[in-house]
Amino acid sequence: DAGVIQSPRHEVTEMGQEVTLRCKPISGHNSLFWYRQTMMRGLELLIYFNNNVPIDDSGMPEDRFSAKMPNASFSTLKIQPSEPRDSAVYFCASRDDGGARETQYFGPGTRLLVL
Amino acid sequence: SQELEQSPQSLIVQEGKNLTINCTSSKTLYGLYWYKQKYGEGLIFLMMLQKGGEEKSHEKITAKLDEKKQQSSLHITASQPSHAGIYLCGAGNDMRFGAGTRLTVKP
Repeated sequence: DAGVIQSPRHEVTEMGQEVTLRCKPISGHNSLFWYRQTMMRGLELLIYFNNNVPIDDSGMPEDRFSAKMPNASFSTLKIQPSEPRDSAVYFCASRDDGGARETQYFGPGTRLLVL
Repeated sequence: SQELEQSPQSLIVQEGKNLTINCTSSKTLYGLYWYKQKYGEGLIFLMMLQKGGEEKSHEKITAKLDEKKQQSSLHITASQPSHAGIYLCGAGNDMRFGAGTRLTVKP
């Protein structure tokens, strides 16, 4: 398996622009997580889905952030409009919750810089 | 949600020395995960602990979960520069993480 795939790996944009981050979870995994990592705040959970349904989005910073999971093999995290304080590394992770507690696997991350 | 506290925040050790990183929970842990992250990279799974008193080892890294299932420790024996990175503990269905411990190993 290719593991969790994220794109793009790097994104540089200007303040006010829309940013879309993409994630393809490991095939067969039914839970998907979006995290944001900064030096100041560490690794923060933004939202997680189970069977394509958002379960907990309490970590989503504000209305500028939205996440969707239209099917089991694809998810997006959108920031509109972007601000410099959104600059961070965004990680996607997936896990198989079908049976016994399983390991969660992380993608390589998207490094976002908002100028 | 589960709050996880890690200590120390950072650690600098000489190559060859042993070290311990701790992770403490405000609630009972029903699955505690340890990950390692090298700078600029994703998180790599190390070990998962579920039962009170459980201990697992992989190469020179040993992780333990106490009997009360509220504290875990990660112990590295004879540290090497390759052990350097950020170690994070995570738990809960929503998999939240501690703040991490940044380990530097001086050759």
